[in-house]
Amino acid sequence: GAVVSQHPSRVICKSGTSVKIECRSLDFQATTMFWYRQFPKQSLMLMATSNEGSKATYEQGVEKDKFLINHASLTLSTLTVTSAHPEDSSFYICSAIRTDQETQYFGPGTRLLVL
Amino acid sequence: GDSVTQMEGPVTLSEEAFLTINCTYTATGYPSLFWYVQYPGEGLQLLLKATKADDKGSNKGFEATYRKETTSFHLEKGSVQVSDSAVYFCALREGRRALTFGSGTRLQVQP
Repeated sequence: GAVVSQHPSRVICKSGTSVKIECRSLDFQATTMFWYRQFPKQSLMLMATSNEGSKATYEQGVEKDKFLINHASLTLSTLTVTSAHPEDSSFYICSAIRTDQETQYFGPGTRLLVL
Repeated sequence: GDSVTQMEGPVTLSEEAFLTINCTYTATGYPSLFWYVQYPGEGLQLLLKATKADDKGSNKGFEATYRKETTSFHLEKGSVQVSDSAVYFCALREGRRALTFGSGTRLQVQP
């Protein structure tokens, strides 16, 4: 089956620093990738849709200058949390749609803790 | 906009009990419907899906039928196991847009 990886799986950083999370589709090309955020015991909330070679589309209420998304190739999308604050602590999950299919595959998630 | 409503959890069952997790949806078009499962410490995995009305998705003993008349996609399993303990998410998707998820239902199966 299709595999989506995320790196790092866990990160702890100081308030004010920036953190980059990578999402890779390992064995398929993904024209579209999605970034979600999941709070403890809650559902996944879509943050943005990332299309290869174009600007990401952000959901209402998500600050695009704070959550920078880059989708430079068909197998890699990055999410950078800039000037992170404790309220940004969360579980970030990426997802990719295989170009030749419709199934959405999910990465294992990245747990961010901002101190 | 699109939305998914799931029954609140946690749902606690004894091994071999019958499971139903209710899911209803609201959509403007004709969505595909999904159930995803998240085991402790792991990422989301697709459990089953149905792409049109009256389709039945099934996998690992779980099944769900796409009911357009009741806008529902309830998840059922005839006999649950301890290993089924996880969080289950109902979701919908229209076209190639992102999945819209329900709030998730935690299932705890006791031996």
